Amino acid sequence: QVQLQQSGPGLVKPSQTLSLTCAISGDSVSSNSAAWNWIRQSPSRGLEWLGRTYYRSKWYNGYAVSVKSRITINPDTSKNEFSLQLNSVTPEDTAVYYCARGWDGYMAIWGQGTLVIVSS
Amino acid sequence: QSVLTQPPSASGTPGQRVTISCSGSRSNIGGDFVHWYQHFPGTAPKLLIYKNNQRPSGVPDRFSGSKSDASASLAISGLRSEDEADYYCAGWDASLNGWVFGGGTKLTVL
Repeated sequence: QVQLQQSGPGLVKPSQTLSLTCAISGDSVSSNSAAWNWIRQSPSRGLEWLGRTYYRSKWYNGYAVSVKSRITINPDTSKNEFSLQLNSVTPEDTAVYYCARGWDGYMAIWGQGTLVIVSS
Repeated sequence: QSVLTQPPSASGTPGQRVTISCSGSRSNIGGDFVHWYQHFPGTAPKLLIYKNNQRPSGVPDRFSGSKSDASASLAISGLRSEDEADYYCAGWDASLNGWVFGGGTKLTVL
């Protein structure tokens, strides 16, 4: 059974970097069939896909246009996890952040969610 | 403004059938599958329908999905109080090269 466990701080100061990690159990971050996504949810923006990383003989990344200049998603094969880094955050980045596994064209497995508040 | 368009709210009484619409374009659900999520505040979204009309195991058959061209619908029959939640449609957008979601529909069971 695939499970995703998120970790990371719930409070980030404006202009700093938001960093979250998603630990995978029951699957491999290097799977040739899965994609590993970050999504956020806020009252003002609803659900918003941020980006993904996946392995198909080599590593690929894809990012949403809205955050492309500020985001990095990295796999860590030694820990079987993947991370999100979002730079130069503002209060607009306050949201619940989720990691999710994409497989066979849909995202069925989600992490528990992490509320991140951007405030000084 | 969400790429996929949903009504912000829907309502029904227990036992009724309600439908929630989702409108997109050829670059997303018009050319690919649509999926539906049920979301209770404070929990992770739950996959309700995938690939237009498929139910994951454990999802009651009261929930059904359909799609025609670039429009899709989620139907809930035999409405129950525990169905009161937010519902989102989602799909892959080939032009944006990313996932897109509807703005969400808040379902109220009267």
